[in-house]
Amino acid sequence: RKEVEQDPGPFNVPEGATVAFNCTYSNSASQSFFWYRQDCRKEPKLLMSVYSSGNEDGRFTAQLNRASQYISLLIRDSKLSDSATYLCVVNEGGGADGLTFGKGTHLIIQP
Amino acid sequence: NAGVTQTPKFQVLKTGQSMTLQCAQDMNHNSMYWYRQDPGMGLRLIYYSASEGTTDKGEVPNGYNVSRLNKREFSLRLESAAPSQTSVYFCASSEGDNEAFFGQGTRLTVV
Repeated sequence: RKEVEQDPGPFNVPEGATVAFNCTYSNSASQSFFWYRQDCRKEPKLLMSVYSSGNEDGRFTAQLNRASQYISLLIRDSKLSDSATYLCVVNEGGGADGLTFGKGTHLIIQP
Repeated sequence: NAGVTQTPKFQVLKTGQSMTLQCAQDMNHNSMYWYRQDPGMGLRLIYYSASEGTTDKGEVPNGYNVSRLNKREFSLRLESAAPSQTSVYFCASSEGDNEAFFGQGTRLTVV
């Protein structure tokens, strides 16, 4: 069974700080990686894809470390509105086995 | 572009009643999924459909049935609801190893 592991937190971080969390995956052949954001009682929404060379979207940076089989998400200058649960997702296509979700990391930004 | 549409958004059932959750996507995706999410737990796969005409069990299929009516629609049926099926249900769709898109969820309470 393919596994995607995340620290559930919660991470309590002051507003304006930088926070980072990782996600490890078990299948070394995995190719597609994503970070999703889920607000309380809402559906998960795509935050960003994770590319092999790493990628940035505003205050968010995602990186992939294939050798150690983990992906990371860095949030700079954190805002109160960043408080949410962040889900790590691996998708290898081809049905249920290809879509594996971590249980999520709960982030709380404090004023 | 509606994406993934789920109905109803809220439902209260009595034990033993039946109901069908509807899901439709307009992105021409082959893969569709039904998940449940309980407090403090991650997304658990109930059933999935890799393509029109095929369905397969996920992690927690007992008490549920599904129908992939056509490429757009994937419904989830509870034949005899039980309190243990009180949960938030999400439908999702994806294509290949790309990101998955979620519906807004159905909050189901079985009393």
